[in-house]
Amino acid sequence: DIQMTQSPSSLSASVGDRVIITCRASQGISNNLAWYQQKPGKVPKLLIYAASTLQSGVPSRFSGSGSGTDFTLTISCLQPEDVATYYCQKYNSAPPAFGPGTTVDIK
Amino acid sequence: EVQLLESGGGMIQPGGSLRLSCAASGFTFSGYAISWVRQAPGKGLEWVSGISGSGGSTYYADSVKGRFTISRGNSKNTLYLQMNSLRAEDTALYYCAKDLANSSWFSGAFDIWGQGTMVTVSS
Repeated sequence: DIQMTQSPSSLSASVGDRVIITCRASQGISNNLAWYQQKPGKVPKLLIYAASTLQSGVPSRFSGSGSGTDFTLTISCLQPEDVATYYCQKYNSAPPAFGPGTTVDIK
Repeated sequence: EVQLLESGGGMIQPGGSLRLSCAASGFTFSGYAISWVRQAPGKGLEWVSGISGSGGSTYYADSVKGRFTISRGNSKNTLYLQMNSLRAEDTALYYCAKDLANSSWFSGAFDIWGQGTMVTVSS
């Protein structure tokens, strides 16, 4: 099965900073990569699918890129409401697999 | 409004059985694959099982294969997860999650999640 890794596992940044989270698949997955945001005590929310397609209603400060095995999620201007854990996930072939998550907080 | 509402969780002894349900509303239920995803306390997300829109194809994580059975009642707009031979490591919040793709086949990307139902396996 394909394994997903993320780095860093956690980060602390200032409001307005550019934040980059990386995700790596153990085998090529084309662009079958999604990103989810989970705020503390809340349900996961789909941010991006197909590696770079923004889900409806998601702020444009979020963006995704990559293909094959290496992917990134970028928050262009960190806001206080972005405090959350972010998960990448490969899909389109069973089993779907989540990365271990990256926790983002405000410095 | 598209909604998923899980029920059936609770505390159960190791080796016991539990059946979870997920009631769907606001979309054409049979047109979408649906999955169960769990999250142990303080841990990350783990996909558990998925089923195609027709119910004809089912998928399982290795960790639950042979113990859990996913099914759906399209006439009742409801998803089920029968969990047998439960272990302590099955303790988690169980979410049902709707496939993003408007297709009866299984993709495993999820745009709608329920609030979850907690399963605690403990003696």
